[in-house]
Amino acid sequence: GAVVSQHPSWVICKSGTSVKIECRSLDFQATTMFWYRQFPKQSLMLMATSNEGSKATYEQGVEKDKFLINHASLTLSTLTVTSAHPEDSSFYICSARDPGQVNYEQYFGPGTRLTVT
Amino acid sequence: TQLLEQSPQFLSIQEGENLTVYCNSSSVFSSLQWYRQEPGEGPVLLVTVVTGGEVKKLKRLTFQFGDARKDSSLHITAAQPGDTGLYLCAGAREGYSTLTFGKGTMLLVSP
Repeated sequence: GAVVSQHPSWVICKSGTSVKIECRSLDFQATTMFWYRQFPKQSLMLMATSNEGSKATYEQGVEKDKFLINHASLTLSTLTVTSAHPEDSSFYICSARDPGQVNYEQYFGPGTRLTVT
Repeated sequence: TQLLEQSPQFLSIQEGENLTVYCNSSSVFSSLQWYRQEPGEGPVLLVTVVTGGEVKKLKRLTFQFGDARKDSSLHITAAQPGDTGLYLCAGAREGYSTLTFGKGTMLLVSP
C-alpha cells in the first residue's frame, strides 16, 4: 500500500516558538494532502486540505495564520505551528490521497506528538 | 449533528467474543473506508466498500455496505487482543474532496 512518512514523530517546544512538521508521500505523488488534529481517545479533526501549488483550504475555526501549510512539491507538505502555546499540544496527523485510487482513500502518516511547555 | 454516527463508542470484550461496529448516516456516500488506529500511530486503511450491499472479508473481519450506501458495519469474529485499537469509519461524498469521519469505536480485547 501507499506509504506516508511524518517527521518528527514527537517534539517538545517552549511556548512562543514555532514548530514545523513534515509530511511526505514516499511511493506516490500526492496533489492533495490533509492535516488532522487528534485529542486523546477521540476521532480525527480535519484542520486543512493542502493542495500542491496553491493555497491550503482551512476548516472553519482553524487559524490559518497560526497553522501555516505549504505544499511545495507533489511529495511534501509542511505544517508550521507558529507561536505555539500549551493549548496547541496535540497529536497531529497528515494523510495523502493517492490519485491512482478512485475511491478517495487516504493514507496516513504515523503522526507527530507536539508538547508545548 | 454528526454526519456519520458510529456506535458503540467504547467496547470492552473478552478474547474469543464476536462484535459489530456500526456507522450510520442520512447521507449517501460514494465510498466508505474503515481504518484501525493503534495508540500513538496513524490510522491504517483496512478496507474500502463502494457498491451498495457489498460485503468484504479480511480474515476475521467482515465489512458490509448498506444497500442505500448510507450505512456500514464491521463485524469481528473471535476477537483477539491484537484487534485492540480505535476503529474509524470514513465516508466520501460526491462533490467533496474530504472524508467525513465517524467519532470512532475504541475496542479493547482482553486475554
